[in-house]
Amino acid sequence: DTGVSQDPRHKITKRGQNVTFRCDPISEHNRLYWYRQTLGQGPEFLTYFQNEAQLEKSRLLSDRFSAERPKGSFSTLEIQRTEQGDSAMYLCASSLRGEVTDTQYFGPGTRLTVL
Amino acid sequence: GQNIDQPTEMTATEGAIVQINCTYQTSGFNGLFWYQQHAGEAPTFLSYNVLDGLEEKGRFSSFLSRSKGYSYLLLKELQMKDSASYLCAVLDSNYQLIWGAGTKLIIKP
Repeated sequence: DTGVSQDPRHKITKRGQNVTFRCDPISEHNRLYWYRQTLGQGPEFLTYFQNEAQLEKSRLLSDRFSAERPKGSFSTLEIQRTEQGDSAMYLCASSLRGEVTDTQYFGPGTRLTVL
Repeated sequence: GQNIDQPTEMTATEGAIVQINCTYQTSGFNGLFWYQQHAGEAPTFLSYNVLDGLEEKGRFSSFLSRSKGYSYLLLKELQMKDSASYLCAVLDSNYQLIWGAGTKLIIKP
């Protein structure tokens, strides 16, 4: 399978715990995006990388959220001191900057439930 | 501010045709995307329009009018598996995708 993969697919945690999600993009893609989505809403942009550089981060993103893409390949998203409001689907997407359409392709998502 | 509007929900009959509209106001425009999202799954890419006109891809077509800030997705010969949410998204001047909330399409037999 050469698509975007995410791990884990589901995560249940208690409030106050830290969680980390992983995303492996399509291998030749240089851009990687993180989104959050709640029921009945479109994806909400969190941050994106071009290669290993984090180019933009949503102003709505709390300091409890951090993302890395150390070698320009896979990325991790960490949420510290989770809150119940963090419960959502976390989506990762990748694209090839330079391609005409810059189409983003999504992974299956990680569903986070904070108890 | 930036805004994407699409109907919250639509219902159609199996075998029929349905048109899902999207209007947008964004800072710049570098293309409009339609994605399909089944419940509990990730969005999957359907179409991309950057020039005015109609793009046809099998049973699905997408239309764009940049002067009107308007697009639609046309689904023909509806099948039960087309029941899903359809998301409209615009690539703005910063090449960031601005998303609508999605239109939930319900197909009835």
